[in-house]
Amino acid sequence: DGGITQSPKYLFRKEGQNVTLSCEQNLNHDAMYWYRQDPGQGLRLIYYSQIVNDFQKGDIAEGYSVSREKKESFPLTVTSAQKNPTAFYLCASSRDSGNSYNSPLHFGNGTRLTVT
Amino acid sequence: AQTVTQSQPEMSVQEAETVTLSCTYDTSESDYYLFWYKQPPSRQMILVIRQEAYKQQNATENRFSVNFQKAAKSFSLKISDSQLGDAAMYFCAYRSRESGGSNYKLTFGKGTLLTVNP
Repeated sequence: DGGITQSPKYLFRKEGQNVTLSCEQNLNHDAMYWYRQDPGQGLRLIYYSQIVNDFQKGDIAEGYSVSREKKESFPLTVTSAQKNPTAFYLCASSRDSGNSYNSPLHFGNGTRLTVT
Repeated sequence: AQTVTQSQPEMSVQEAETVTLSCTYDTSESDYYLFWYKQPPSRQMILVIRQEAYKQQNATENRFSVNFQKAAKSFSLKISDSQLGDAAMYFCAYRSRESGGSNYKLTFGKGTLLTVNP
């Protein structure tokens, strides 16, 4: 079955260390997204990629970086510059391409990152 | 910028009864999509229902239906014959249908936690 795989489910890191969250999709979707979820905050967009080798900052990109070298993969690096990195991170994808934004987002199961 | 407001942080319903979750949004656009997503304790985000703004008919998916009031910018979700498995956080979301700028973004409300009592 097609879907989005995020790994690991739980991740623990020491403060000051960079950490990379994995996101892989086999839905053949062009667009991929990273959202951050905090209690009472809903979901906030970190980065977005509409096509391979291209990505755009979302609302809260500071302290994060991404790459999109393959259509299937969109890893997110949480750097030491991120002031409050402990959160639940959700990766998503959609069929959108070009100038058409009419597809729903499909989400992975998320990664819970704890930084101490 | 578009905003989505869910004014009910928590709601509860008795099993088999009906509950309505509220959502309002603010936009200057005329063509867009609205979504309801469900997030159960597993934290998987699941699409419940989608409404296209240019369609006057309210969307329905089995026990889930919406009341879309475009002029009032209101998009409520009605769950009929509530089941224990409906217990989850529900998010309302907005997406522009127009290309360009930041319109790729799905803007979410802060969610409503629904409890279903047996």
